[in-house]
Amino acid sequence: SAVISQKPSRDICQRGTSLTIQCQVDSQVTMMFWYRQQPGQSLTLIATANQGSEATYESGFVIDKFPISRPNLTFSTLTVSNMSPEDSSIYLCSVEGELGLRRYFGPGTRLTVT
Amino acid sequence: DAKTTQPPSMDCAEGRAANLPCNHSTISGNEYVYWYRQIHSQGPQYIIHGLKNNETNEMASLIITEDRKSSTLILPHATLRDTAVYYCIVRVAEGGSNYKLTFGKGTLLTVNP
Repeated sequence: SAVISQKPSRDICQRGTSLTIQCQVDSQVTMMFWYRQQPGQSLTLIATANQGSEATYESGFVIDKFPISRPNLTFSTLTVSNMSPEDSSIYLCSVEGELGLRRYFGPGTRLTVT
Repeated sequence: DAKTTQPPSMDCAEGRAANLPCNHSTISGNEYVYWYRQIHSQGPQYIIHGLKNNETNEMASLIITEDRKSSTLILPHATLRDTAVYYCIVRVAEGGSNYKLTFGKGTLLTVNP
């Protein structure tokens, strides 16, 4: 299994500012995934991050708004830039488990933008 | 990946079996059925998956119909801690880790005392 931690666990931010969310995994993983969960909604994939290459973004998400770093095989960051109240969500980090058969998810970062 | 249909909510009495249905009538032969759950304020948790045969692990059982167009997740003795949103997902059974895991709205299971 993989144990994932995220920092911060929650934050309240002002409109127009940026927040960087950290994701740390206790084992080396090739791919990391970032999801967004808006209030009362299901999870939506933002992007897939490979170590050593540019992240791949899903439709509706762009690098300027959600830049991602993946400096090594156990760590990634997601930045939510120029925030607006519509960015208020839970942001979750996920990694692939053994044999490509399951995903593990972090506890999430609850972001409120005022 | 095939779409899934789940009831939006279900109730279950504590100690009884919870049977959560899922329809995936457009599933392809190379697609797995996966179940995850999300307890309030936590990240999703893997429960079980299967391709054709019924599967059982320490958490639950998965019953897949012979035509694979529907499945049922069974929690044999539901507890209050099983109250969560349960997601039924189908994904292509390709090798590697770069597959999309697409979450629908899921079923909110409420276990009552």
